[in-house]
Amino acid sequence: DIVMTQSPDSLAVSLGERATINCKSSQSVLYSSNNNFYLAWYQQKPGQPPKLLFYWASTRESGVPDRFSGSGSGTDFTLTISSLQAEDVAVYYCQQYYTIPFTFGPGTKVDIK
Amino acid sequence: EVHLLESGGGLIQPGGSLRLSCAASGFSFRTFAMTWVRQAPGKGLDWVSVISDSGERKYYADSVKGRFTISRDNSRNTLYLQMNSLRAEDTAIYYCGKGVGGTYDSPNDYWGQGTLLTVSS
Repeated sequence: DIVMTQSPDSLAVSLGERATINCKSSQSVLYSSNNNFYLAWYQQKPGQPPKLLFYWASTRESGVPDRFSGSGSGTDFTLTISSLQAEDVAVYYCQQYYTIPFTFGPGTKVDIK
Repeated sequence: EVHLLESGGGLIQPGGSLRLSCAASGFSFRTFAMTWVRQAPGKGLDWVSVISDSGERKYYADSVKGRFTISRDNSRNTLYLQMNSLRAEDTAIYYCGKGVGGTYDSPNDYWGQGTLLTVSS
């Protein structure tokens, strides 16, 4: 199985400041035939289901504010919130959908400092 | 508007069986892969199973393989998860998710609110 790790486990950022979440896959999730990384990011707020933010590592889902960005290459990926807003308090998960089982990272909790 | 509504959860004894359903509306159900993901209380997301748009391809997490069966009825716009030989560690909120595409290797852009399964004697 591909193991997904995330860092940090949690972070607290002041309103308007940048938040950066890292995700690492234990092996490549790049499909060479289409040059896509099979990596998604989800946001989950308390009591709610997950919400898709990005897929193919950097393709923003419709309706996701542009303060969110996804990037990465190889086995290292990053979710960045450029200017944290109160409504961004949530747990963020990365997930690989390259190989069965489609594993999630353990999550990173983002709070306001 | 896409809408997914899970049902069928509840309290069941270890070793028991239960079938979850996910009623879909607002999109062409038959053209998208569907997924089950679960979340134990206070824990992270745990991928369970995926089925392709036609239902031909089905895959499972090792933890449920041989005990759970995913299926779909495209005429009823409904996804199912038959769960047998239930264990305490299956206790979780079960979410169904709509794939971005029709193939199984697809992220999920819509999710239901989930249904809670509790396995306990």
